[in-house]
Amino acid sequence: DGGITQSPKYLFRKEGQNVTLSCEQNLNHDAMYWYRQDPGQGLRLIYYSQIVNDFQKGDIAEGYSVSREKKESFPLTVTSAQKNPTAFYLCASSSSYNEQFFGPGTRLTVL
Amino acid sequence: GEDVEQSLFLSVREGDSSVINCTYTDSSSTYLYWYKQEPGAGLQLLTYIFSNMDMKQDQRLTVLLNKKDKHLSLRIADTQTGDSAIYFCAEILDTGGFKTIFGAGTRLFVKA
Repeated sequence: DGGITQSPKYLFRKEGQNVTLSCEQNLNHDAMYWYRQDPGQGLRLIYYSQIVNDFQKGDIAEGYSVSREKKESFPLTVTSAQKNPTAFYLCASSSSYNEQFFGPGTRLTVL
Repeated sequence: GEDVEQSLFLSVREGDSSVINCTYTDSSSTYLYWYKQEPGAGLQLLTYIFSNMDMKQDQRLTVLLNKKDKHLSLRIADTQTGDSAIYFCAEILDTGGFKTIFGAGTRLFVKA
């Protein structure tokens, strides 16, 4: 089955730690995206990548980093510089001019 | 500027029709989408409409597009309790094909 997966589903982080969220797709999509969702605020774009080995900052990139070494994978690292990382993180992928397909999300909680 | 606005809440009785509204500002939209998000899950594409269409019907869902007023609506006929979710309006801009603007989402409550 084609789709997009995220892991883990739940993640807990101590203050000062970096954590990495995984996103994998087997839809052969060129573009991948990371969004952050907070209650009542909809989706905010963190980073996006249109092609392998290239990515751009979205609206709230500070405190986050990404890599795109393979077409199928777009991991997101939440660094200690992100002061309020508790949120629901969604990964998506798309081909040009088409709708985005979303993964099931990762809920990150800072302890 | 680029912006998509939706009302935050809608409450309907089971069996009634629901109408969720959305307004957008950028006239270069190519496609407009409706997504559904159930609690703790990702977004699921419900339906879409191309910007040169006025209406699209898909079973219980009807999408209406008024390009002059930049207004999009989603009508759900015979609303069921399983339709309770957050509904997001989104537009893809004609800026290279990758930029999508999402609304903040409308939370639909269906009362039995």
